[in-house]
Amino acid sequence: GALVYQYPRRTICKSGTSMRMECQAVGFQATSVAWYRQSPQKTFELIALSTVNSAIKYEQNFTQEKFPISHPNLSFSSMTVLNAYLEDRGLYLCGARETPNTEVFFGKGTRLTVV
Amino acid sequence: GNSVTQMQGQVTLSEEEFLFINCTYSTTGYPTLFWYVQYPGEGPQLLLKVTTANNKGSSRGFEATYDKGTTSFHLQKASVQESDSAVYYCVLTNTNKVVFGTGTRLQVLP
Repeated sequence: GALVYQYPRRTICKSGTSMRMECQAVGFQATSVAWYRQSPQKTFELIALSTVNSAIKYEQNFTQEKFPISHPNLSFSSMTVLNAYLEDRGLYLCGARETPNTEVFFGKGTRLTVV
Repeated sequence: GNSVTQMQGQVTLSEEEFLFINCTYSTTGYPTLFWYVQYPGEGPQLLLKVTTANNKGSSRGFEATYDKGTTSFHLQKASVQESDSAVYYCVLTNTNKVVFGTGTRLQVLP
């Protein structure tokens, strides 16, 4: 079956430091991968979307300078949170799809705590 | 633009009661509609989806009808169980866009 793995599941970093999280799609051919942040209030914010043959598109309030993303292919994606501060806390979710209008397969997320 | 509205932030029921979670949407064209469920410590999981207007999707006793006339996709279940306690998200996708509702937390008391 289709699965999305994310690691680490949780991480703690000191304020001003950076941390990297990874996402891997298994069991299907992903043609788009998106990173989201879920706040403590449970709302989802789209950080960036990568689609096959297109550049990574960042949403308003999120920049490549703060959240650089790299992926050799759409089955594997990594994102770094640079200079993390308290407002960056949350659950970072990776979602991948096979085709537009189909379901998004989510990983279990990486929970970032900043101290 | 695209939007999904879930008016209920929290619903509390007793076991075997009827569940109704409201969802309305706004978009252009022909979206696909989903309900996702998120349990504590987990990522969202697909509960059900409907790709065609006026069709109904169902899974594990939950059902929702894609009503293009009222632009609604309400979630229902005839008899809830304590294990159904989770956060439920109404989601719309239109080409590459994925739009989440704000979620409805369901608490089912034993």
